[in-house]
Amino acid sequence: QQQVKQSPQSLIVQKGGISIINCAYENTAFDYFPWYQQFPGKGPALLIAIRPDVSEKKEGRFTISFNKSAKQFSLHIMDSQPGDSATYFCAASIKNYGQNFVFGPGTRLSVLP
Amino acid sequence: NAGVTQTPKFRVLKTGQSMTLLCAQDMNHEYMYWYRQDPGMGLRLIHYSVGEGTTAKGEVPDGYNVSRLKKQNFLLGLESAAPSQTSVYFCASSGTGRKTYEQYFGPGTRLTVT
Repeated sequence: QQQVKQSPQSLIVQKGGISIINCAYENTAFDYFPWYQQFPGKGPALLIAIRPDVSEKKEGRFTISFNKSAKQFSLHIMDSQPGDSATYFCAASIKNYGQNFVFGPGTRLSVLP
Repeated sequence: NAGVTQTPKFRVLKTGQSMTLLCAQDMNHEYMYWYRQDPGMGLRLIHYSVGEGTTAKGEVPDGYNVSRLKKQNFLLGLESAAPSQTSVYFCASSGTGRKTYEQYFGPGTRLTVT
């Protein structure tokens, strides 16, 4: 019930294309859904996050879509660039308990020039 | 403002040796965390601290100990290293209230146990 599933494991996209990464969860107590971006040799960095009271959040080329009834959320990267090549992790957390973050296994994105 | 720093960056240990990983943050954050990252498994929480002098177990605490003697520092100890502890270790910190959700990660320590 604490698991967050993520797909695909790896993704190759042409420059200018749309990258889509999907995550699914079971625990309905989760109330915060962030996405982290990690470049090789670096720590993860918070990219964008959403709470379950909205269905979509957009920041620049990055959009989270959230489907509460299906218990799914996804990251869309519009106009993907080679600089977006990284590993992306979705996560979920329970109210007021940062220590209860559960991370997905990650998606390695490669954007070809 | 360095954010979250970790020492050392790399380390190779023999089975049975001990070591301490140091994490420091300069953001005056109350919460600090230690994670391990293994291929295909995402990040798993080892131990965490909600304030100076407090620690608690996370998802995978066995074989590790921690201490938070100063607010800005969080130490992770391996008393008797095992090959299964070969991993990349990340420290993170976050504020309180709604800021608890925003975790800031260090650059990681790559540990190999032979």
